[in-house]
Amino acid sequence: GDSVTQMEGPVTLSEEAFLTINCTYTATGYPSLFWYVQYPGEGLQLLLKATKADDKGSNKGFEATYRKETTSFHLEKGSVQVSDSAVYFCALSRDDKIIFGKGTRLHILP
Amino acid sequence: DAGVIQSPRHEVTEMGQEVTLRCKPISGHNSLFWYRQTMMRGLELLIYFNNNVPIDDSGMPEDRFSAKMPNASFSTLKIQPSEPRDSAVYFCASRPPISSEQYFGPGTRLTVT
Repeated sequence: GDSVTQMEGPVTLSEEAFLTINCTYTATGYPSLFWYVQYPGEGLQLLLKATKADDKGSNKGFEATYRKETTSFHLEKGSVQVSDSAVYFCALSRDDKIIFGKGTRLHILP
Repeated sequence: DAGVIQSPRHEVTEMGQEVTLRCKPISGHNSLFWYRQTMMRGLELLIYFNNNVPIDDSGMPEDRFSAKMPNASFSTLKIQPSEPRDSAVYFCASRPPISSEQYFGPGTRLTVT
């Protein structure tokens, strides 16, 4: 069945460092791909999305490109801030549902 | 614009008691999802509704769990009787028509002692 695999955390970086969180997927067809973010004590929020191959989703300095050839959707940010500390979930849409990865916890040190 | 509303935000109850979690989706959204999040199992889809009709309840762990959506603006998730292993954060999410994006509520943290 369809699935999402993302790098295990926690990931700890210093402020202004470059961020990459890897995500690969297994799916039939061409699902939409998402990154959701969960701040402490809150629900998940959509960070960005891409609906077809080679699309780039971007928001708040984060980017991810839908790579069909490598079935990947890696999340990147050029310069992270302490406020980016959260759990990040890669996900794909399948029929009516969203299939989530296990999440990657990110800690940014000042 | 109000987001998804869940109540209560925190619930502490004793084993064997009935627990009811409530959700008000975003107005105009026609799909509603209930999830459970734990450290061990991550985020699990329990059940979802389209136009108030349950579509897939295969994620409901057992008969102790039940969910209803009597109208487009309200849903409940009930656990009866509750057990300590039900302790988790329960999220409700809603989705507008012709969209794959889900909008999550703040969650209910349930502790069963």
